[in-house]
Amino acid sequence: NAGVTQTPKFQVLKTGQSMTLQCAQDMNHNSMYWYRQDPGMGLRLIYYSASEGTTDKGEVPNGYNVSRLNKREFSLRLESAAPSQTSVYFCASTQARTGGTDTQYFGPGTRLTVL
Amino acid sequence: AQSVTQLGSHVSVSEGALVLLRCNYSSSVPPYLFWYVQYPNQGLQLLLKYTSAATLVKGINGFEAEFKKSETSFHLTKPSAHMSDAAEYFCAVTATGYSTLTFGKGTMLLVSP
Repeated sequence: NAGVTQTPKFQVLKTGQSMTLQCAQDMNHNSMYWYRQDPGMGLRLIYYSASEGTTDKGEVPNGYNVSRLNKREFSLRLESAAPSQTSVYFCASTQARTGGTDTQYFGPGTRLTVL
Repeated sequence: AQSVTQLGSHVSVSEGALVLLRCNYSSSVPPYLFWYVQYPNQGLQLLLKYTSAATLVKGINGFEAEFKKSETSFHLTKPSAHMSDAAEYFCAVTATGYSTLTFGKGTMLLVSP
């Protein structure tokens, strides 16, 4: 099993450009998450999908959109990139069967720079 | 609302010394608590978790943590640091009825020979 995969690994954008970050998991997990990681800020939740067909905003959703394409895939879209969106983006998934005790499994991350 | 405070953005220890990384939480309901580790240029992986069974939780690589309700703490310890323990460590909290984890800001562990 590959676990959680993310593409691309690295990306450089110019201000105003758009792009989609892809995430897929092969563990048959119900819930998926997008985080951003910035120095000294820890991980902050952007959006999540508790189950196929649902999405909800997290702590820092502005400037992002998401799509839960199917149970395996959860994409994050930047419509008009800004330098403030320079960050490392992580996707995670969890089975979400036991009321909060399930482990989240993380992908390797996408390092995004917006010039 | 839930929150986590990790005291110390950086902790330095010598190889063989005790590792102590501090985590205090705030939660209006009984919490579930997690410690994750991030090695350079990698994603996060679970070290251990408290899910209301035993208050002393043992994890991978010799780490353990003790849930202390009276102190609202879940500090991470390891008796003897190895060079390979150098990484960033994150404490996180959730609870029944919550769909998401709330992470602390992280503590970078530096291990010197």
